[in-house]
Amino acid sequence: EDQVTQSPEALRLQEGESSSLNCSYTVSGLRGLFWYRQDPGKGPEFLFTLYSAGEEKEKERLKATLTKKESFLHITAPKPEDSATYLCAVQARQAGTALIFGKGTTLSVSS
Amino acid sequence: DAGITQSPRHKVTETGTPVTLRCHQTENHRYMYWYRQDPGHGLRLIHYSYGVKDTDKGEVSDGYSVSRSKTEDFLLTLESATSSQTSVYFCAISEGLGQGGYTFGSGTRLTVV
Repeated sequence: EDQVTQSPEALRLQEGESSSLNCSYTVSGLRGLFWYRQDPGKGPEFLFTLYSAGEEKEKERLKATLTKKESFLHITAPKPEDSATYLCAVQARQAGTALIFGKGTTLSVSS
Repeated sequence: DAGITQSPRHKVTETGTPVTLRCHQTENHRYMYWYRQDPGHGLRLIHYSYGVKDTDKGEVSDGYSVSRSKTEDFLLTLESATSSQTSVYFCAISEGLGQGGYTFGSGTRLTVV
């Protein structure tokens, strides 16, 4: 069964304190791994897609990496506006375009 | 979100009544999806569409039906609402395989009392 597990469930950081979020996955044939950001009361907002092990993508203070079993979302020198829930999802080769989501990591950054 | 609109944004309905949620897109994307989001479960796929009149079931499709008569509209119907269907419902669109991530709507918060 295809599965996505995110850790930790919640993370509290001080402004400027860098850290990483983890997304481990089990899928029979990975087509792509996706990261989303979700603010309270809003729909998820697309951040990155990673397609193969070793691939990295960056956007401002965020950097996503991918291995054969997991992905990391590195947050460098976070600011309070980075506070949100970060969702990881995988797309399996045999599942068409459907995405399987993890439960998310809720990040809180205090000043 | 630009290009995708969900209606209504909030709805309270009684157990046993039918409910239809609407998703409208202006991006001419082929694929459309309905997800529900619940605490402790994350986002779970209900149904999706890969073209006009072409739909398929997702992980949690029991109690739900969908229709897509036009490229731009994807309707989700709860034939007889139950309290277990209280949730936040999100519609999403995508261009297709290898075309990047989904674009999500702002969601519909449905409460069944």
